[in-house]
Amino acid sequence: AQKITQTQPGMFVQEKEAVTLDCTYDTSDPSYGLFWYKQPSSGEMIFLIYQGSYDQQNATEGRYSLNFQKARKSANLVISASQLGDSAMYFCAMREGTGGSEKLVFGKGTKLTVNP
Amino acid sequence: GAGVSQSPSNKVTEKGKDVELRCDPISGHTALYWYRQSLGQGLEFLIYFQGNSAPDKSGLPSDRFSAERTGGSVSTLTIQRTQQEDSAVYLCASSLEREDTQYFGPGTRLTVL
Repeated sequence: AQKITQTQPGMFVQEKEAVTLDCTYDTSDPSYGLFWYKQPSSGEMIFLIYQGSYDQQNATEGRYSLNFQKARKSANLVISASQLGDSAMYFCAMREGTGGSEKLVFGKGTKLTVNP
Repeated sequence: GAGVSQSPSNKVTEKGKDVELRCDPISGHTALYWYRQSLGQGLEFLIYFQGNSAPDKSGLPSDRFSAERTGGSVSTLTIQRTQQEDSAVYLCASSLEREDTQYFGPGTRLTVL
């Protein structure tokens, strides 16, 4: 079964509008971390935002916020006031547990296009 | 400060040849990771190094793949007898400690002809 599911292969948004990118996850471990990365066409993976499973509040970083709904196992990324430079692939990733490898498991990504 | 660097940025090789990919992590980062990104498989974990501990090699796809990390810093990923299915972008990441955010390098695009 997929551990990270991103159901939107592509999304379109108008410049200056907000957009939500969906991510659901599957784990039985009570301790985990959720990450969002941005990958522009140039290829580098850019860290955007992190949410820990025990964090009480939703994470925010500038125009990025994470809508964390633990009971639903969802961790949607919200980008406010979209800019042309936000056009990129966006990946949701999870790190499970402690005491072992800290590898990230990635979803298949969502391609965001911001229209002028 | 300097981010994660990788070399070469692009590598074209012939089937059956060996290749070495290099990763320089962020200075002071104790954890180092290799991932592979290919069209068919998405982003896959390959191997993880943490300090002097034994590496987690659970993601290496075959015994043609190996990696080492010398002096707790630079890492080299070696692919022996390359196959066309090895064509992918190989990404390296590092984190300050094992549970911290991973920061990625620009990747090495490997093409096996």
